[in-house]
Amino acid sequence: GQNIDQPTEMTATEGAIVQINCTYQTSGFNGLFWYQQHAGEAPTFLSYNVLDGLEEKGRFSSFLSRSKGYSYLLLKELQMKDSASYLCAVRDSNYQLIWGAGTKLIIKP
Amino acid sequence: GAGVSQSPSNKVTEKGKDVELRCDPISGHTALYWYRQRLGQGLEFLIYFQGNSAPDKSGLPSDRFSAERTGESVSTLTIQRTQQEDSAVYLCASSLSGENLSYNEQFFGPGTRLTVL
Repeated sequence: GQNIDQPTEMTATEGAIVQINCTYQTSGFNGLFWYQQHAGEAPTFLSYNVLDGLEEKGRFSSFLSRSKGYSYLLLKELQMKDSASYLCAVRDSNYQLIWGAGTKLIIKP
Repeated sequence: GAGVSQSPSNKVTEKGKDVELRCDPISGHTALYWYRQRLGQGLEFLIYFQGNSAPDKSGLPSDRFSAERTGESVSTLTIQRTQQEDSAVYLCASSLSGENLSYNEQFFGPGTRLTVL
């Protein structure tokens, strides 16, 4: 079967750095997405990786290792507004997105 | 421009009733997706429309669920004889294409929160 694993919940301090990991086992691979979802709101796109390596976008970076079936989302200079759930999703060989359950990130002052 | 819109935003219904949820995708987006999200859980794929191709219904949990799409515009998700287990947020998303693009971000609507009493 297809599986996406993420930690259920993480806590970090305002101004710090946090890394949210995602491991996957899917039938084929056509890219990995990270989405942010604030409570009661729809998910919004953060990043996309299809090749190995690090993609940096402001305070957020996303890393991919296809051989290891592994990705992480790195958030720097954490702000209170970063408190949200972070969803990892992999596009499989049929170009369908397989979604992880999300990691709830709690930021403390 | 306008994003993905969904209606109603909230729906409370009694067990056994039918409900219809509507999604208006972003103009020009050929791909449309329906997801279900239960409280505190991830997104559960339901159905996918791509242009005029036959929809991918592999995620529909039972024959009580069905969806239609008119061309490349509005889609409706119908749940017949609702059960309490159907209570969830139903999210619709659209993208430029479902495949063969290196990058095709899905844009989500605000969702419909369905409560079955």
